[in-house]
Formats: sequence, structure tokens, C-alpha cells
Amino acid sequence: NAGVTQTPKFRVLKTGQSMTLLCAQDMNHEYMYWYRQDPGMGLRLIHYSVGEGTTAKGEVPDGYNVSRLKKQNFLLGLESAAPSQTSVYFCASSYIDNTEAFFGQGTRLTVV
Amino acid sequence: AQSVTQPDIHITVSEGASLELRCNYSYGATPYLFWYVQSPGQGLQLLLKYFSGDTLVQGIKGFEAEFKRSQSSFNLRKPSVHWSDAAEYFCAVGAEPSGSARQLTFGSGTQLTVLP
Repeated sequence: NAGVTQTPKFRVLKTGQSMTLLCAQDMNHEYMYWYRQDPGMGLRLIHYSVGEGTTAKGEVPDGYNVSRLKKQNFLLGLESAAPSQTSVYFCASSYIDNTEAFFGQGTRLTVV
Repeated sequence: AQSVTQPDIHITVSEGASLELRCNYSYGATPYLFWYVQSPGQGLQLLLKYFSGDTLVQGIKGFEAEFKRSQSSFNLRKPSVHWSDAAEYFCAVGAEPSGSARQLTFGSGTQLTVLP
């Protein structure tokens, strides 16, 4: 059972480039989340989804877009990467909100 | 708005010693409380959770936590630490599931170092 899988695991971007991070879960969870983790700041919610075809903004949504076209996938896009977006990105899913969230292993993104 | 404070950025203990990691939360109603552990290069794994009932909850890997409403705290404890417990620990608070999505709010984490 794979759980939550994130691709890629590492990426280096130049300022202004775009990219998409993919999150896939095989637990039939309704809720999916994208967080960023920065030193000393814990995890901050970027965007989340309460089901297929829905998305909503979290705490730090600026500069990011998301899509949930299929229940099992949640994509995070950076249209024009900035150095401030250098971070570790985590995807998570849960059956319903505020229950146990299952996390992927993270994507380390560096924007130079 | 809900918030979580983990006052200790870094804690060092000797293997075999007891451990207590502090977590204080701010939330207007009954909180849903969680402790997660993150090993280097890994995602977060749930250690334990509190929703209601007995205020002392048991988790995996020998951890426990006690919910104290009067102190707005949910401290994590372990009687005897093992070297494999070295990791970063996150406390999180959430609202009661209501059918509409409510986000978990995470603390900034406590890094645990275990000395041999």
C-alpha cells in the first residue's frame, strides 16, 4: 500500500520558471492538502481540497495554484517561481477534516 | 483563530532518560489535538491524537500525551527514550470535523537529540 506519493522528490528551478508537483493517494481519501515547511515555522497550509473538483486557499496561497481533477491526485503549480518559494513541500490526505492526516515524503524545491 | 506554541526549539536527552515535550494551544472550543513525528528526510507520522474522553492518550512507540484543558496544554511524554526517537516533533490543533474543511494548525516543532 503506497499511501501518499509525491513526485518529484527534489527539484532546482531558476527564478521565473514554472513547475508542477504531483501528489497521489491510494486510500480513497476525500481531503487533500499541500503544506510548505520552512525552518522554525512548522508546516503552513498552502491550499487544500475537500473532494474531486474542489480547491480552497490555505494560510499561504500566493504564488501557487492547485487542481484536483481526479480524487486520487492533487497538483500544486508554481507559475513563476521565486526564491521565497524555496522550501520543502508536503502533500497530505485524510478521510475527513481534522482526523489523522497521512503525509508524503516531501519535495525539496530550490529556486535560484 | 487557532494557534499552537511549542516553547522548546531543541531538546537534548540521554538515552534511557525520560522525555517531556511541551505544547500549548489556543482554540475557543474543544480542540482536536495531535502529535506527529518527522524523521530526517521523511514525511510526518502520527504518534497520537486526542478527540475526547480520557485525557491521557497512548500512542505508538511508547509515547503518551495528556490533555489539560485548564492549562491549554497537550504535552508529549515518554518514560525512557531510545536513540531511534531522535527526530522532530510537531504538535497540531484542529477543530471538530463539521463537514466543512478546517485546517490543522501546526506548531513550529521541537528537535529532539538523544545522547548515547
